[in-house]
Parts: sequence; C-alpha cells; structure tokens
Amino acid sequence: AQSVTQLDSHVSVSEGTPVLLRCNYSSSYSPSLFWYVQHPNKGLQLLLKYTSAATLVKGINGFEAEFKKSETSFHLTKPSAHMSDAAEYFCVVTPFYNQGGKLIFGQGTELSVKP
Amino acid sequence: DTEVTQTPKHLVMGMTNKKSLKCEQHMGHRAMYWYKQKAKKPPELMFVYSYEKLSINESVPSRFSPECPNSSLLNLHLHALQPEDSALYLCASSQGRDRVNEQYFGPGTRLTVT
Repeated sequence: AQSVTQLDSHVSVSEGTPVLLRCNYSSSYSPSLFWYVQHPNKGLQLLLKYTSAATLVKGINGFEAEFKKSETSFHLTKPSAHMSDAAEYFCVVTPFYNQGGKLIFGQGTELSVKP
Repeated sequence: DTEVTQTPKHLVMGMTNKKSLKCEQHMGHRAMYWYKQKAKKPPELMFVYSYEKLSINESVPSRFSPECPNSSLLNLHLHALQPEDSALYLCASSQGRDRVNEQYFGPGTRLTVT
C-alpha cells in the first residue's frame, strides 16, 4: 500500500536561512508526488509536482524538490526563508494504480519563520 | 485562470437546519472533489465527481448530500448535522482523475454546527 511520511511535524527557521521539509513515500511503483502549502484559514495551493520527468522539480515562490527513488524521498527545499512562507505544508502522493483521483496526504509539517 | 471559488466563506448552522455549500470552477475540469479538514490535520476525501457523475463516496453519512448540476458547479447539501461535523470544507477540481493531474483547491467554507 502507498503511504507518505512527513518526518517533522514542525520546523522552525530564521528568515533568510534555508528551509528543508522532509517527505518519504512508500510505493511499489513510480508515483506522482506533490507538495501543497496551506496558509491559515486558506485552501491548499500547489507548490510543485513530480510526474516521472526531471527528478529536480522547481516550483513557485523559490521552492524546489528532488525525487530520489533510491531513498524513496521527495524533500522540499528553499534557499532563503521569507516570513510569508510560514504555513502548513503537505506532501502528497497519487499511487501508480490510480484510485480514481484519490490523494494520499502526509500529516503535514508546520513551518515557522522567525524574524 | 486556476481559481476555484467557494461560498459562503463562513457558515454557522444549528443541528436542525438545512444549508448548502457551493463550489465553482471555470477551468474546464471534469473532476471535482469535496474534502473535510479538521484543525491541524490533512484533508479527508468525501466525494469525487467525474463528468458530473458521482464516482467515489468515502462512506460519508447521508446528512451530507453532494450534487453536480453541471460541469462547473458542485454543491454540498447539509441537513441535520452534528457538532463534530464542524470543520473546513474544501472543494477541488482537476482536469481528470489520472494520477498526474494536480488538484486545484478552493479557499474553503468554515462550517460551525451549534
């Protein structure tokens, strides 16, 4: 069965320092992977997606993620955090054998950014 | 335009009320979704519509009744809700249900059941 594990429930960084949000997935086949961000009392916004093309994926707002099959990881990074990056981040997978549009969500990582 | 709109933004209803949530997209997407999200948790899938037909019902109680009047609109009718149904209700849409299709989410309706 497919699953997603976000390794940190909360990450705190200082403004201007790098961000690393970790995500491991479990899948027998090559999955599609996504990162979404949710600001307080807002909907989810797609940051980036991996669908078996380039393993380094660039997204919006300076975020990028690298798909590493050998490590079954899809970590999200940003070189320099901004105050506006403070939000909840979800790593999401859709299994190879698609289940009609179902998404498998990680439990989320709350990112705090200190001035 | 990658926008999904939802109305109302906030809704307070009593346990005997009937209300509806509305979702709209104009991206030509043929799949639409309802999710329920509790605080500090990921969204939970409730329903999936594909080409205006209900394709997935995640064993949601019958007090939630979805409706897809046309390819752009999705409604969620609420009746006799319980306080534990208080949550953020999110609508999403995607081009199709293929695994490579990302879902676009609306801002949500914050529902409080009193």
